Amino acid sequence: QKEVEQDPGPLSVPEGAIVSLNCTYSNSAFQYFMWYRQYSRKGPELLMYTYSSGNKEDGRFTAQVDKSSKYISLFIRDSQPSDSATYLCAMTRSGTYKYIFGTGTRLKVLA
Amino acid sequence: DTGVSQDPRHKITKRGQNVTFRCDPISEHNRLYWYRQTLGQGPEFLTYFQNEAQLEKSRLLSDRFSAERPKGSFSTLEIQRTEQGDSAMYLCASSPIRLAATTDTQYFGPGTRLTVL
Repeated sequence: QKEVEQDPGPLSVPEGAIVSLNCTYSNSAFQYFMWYRQYSRKGPELLMYTYSSGNKEDGRFTAQVDKSSKYISLFIRDSQPSDSATYLCAMTRSGTYKYIFGTGTRLKVLA
Repeated sequence: DTGVSQDPRHKITKRGQNVTFRCDPISEHNRLYWYRQTLGQGPEFLTYFQNEAQLEKSRLLSDRFSAERPKGSFSTLEIQRTEQGDSAMYLCASSPIRLAATTDTQYFGPGTRLTVL
């Protein structure tokens, strides 16, 4: 079993929809959680960073961490065709800088 | 451009050859990471530097792989005796020192795409 599981998609939604992207993990020691967006043949771009549990909002993006369920989510409101990309979750624990990434979810926002 | 830069962007080599990649992190970022990413997968951690010290290495980093960051600024990743299985995108990321638990961000470069024939 992988430490971080992420549905690869593709996930297709109409423009303006609310998108929900999720990751589950097995290591209860994980405390630092990040979401990245990656366009084809480009490096990942940091979207959201969350420490421990709770919610964090930045513009159209909201990140949620539920440590009791070992589940993290990224919500995108008013999705745009330019949001079409692969979304990666990443996480790590204290005492290491080895981040574990999910496989990524491909999102397509249809105009 | 003040982002992370990597050179070359693309490298095609024959099996058995040695290759070296360079990463220039964001100025004053003292932490630097190397990752490998294959098609349809997320980045896999290879190694981590804090300044010039290599503090963590993945078991993925076989003895054919070596990374250096001699002056705590740019870094190089060398692969000796390349194999077809080494074909991947090699990504570099940098981050500033973790001042508080609530701040920790990695900024990625565009990657070097390696193709081993």
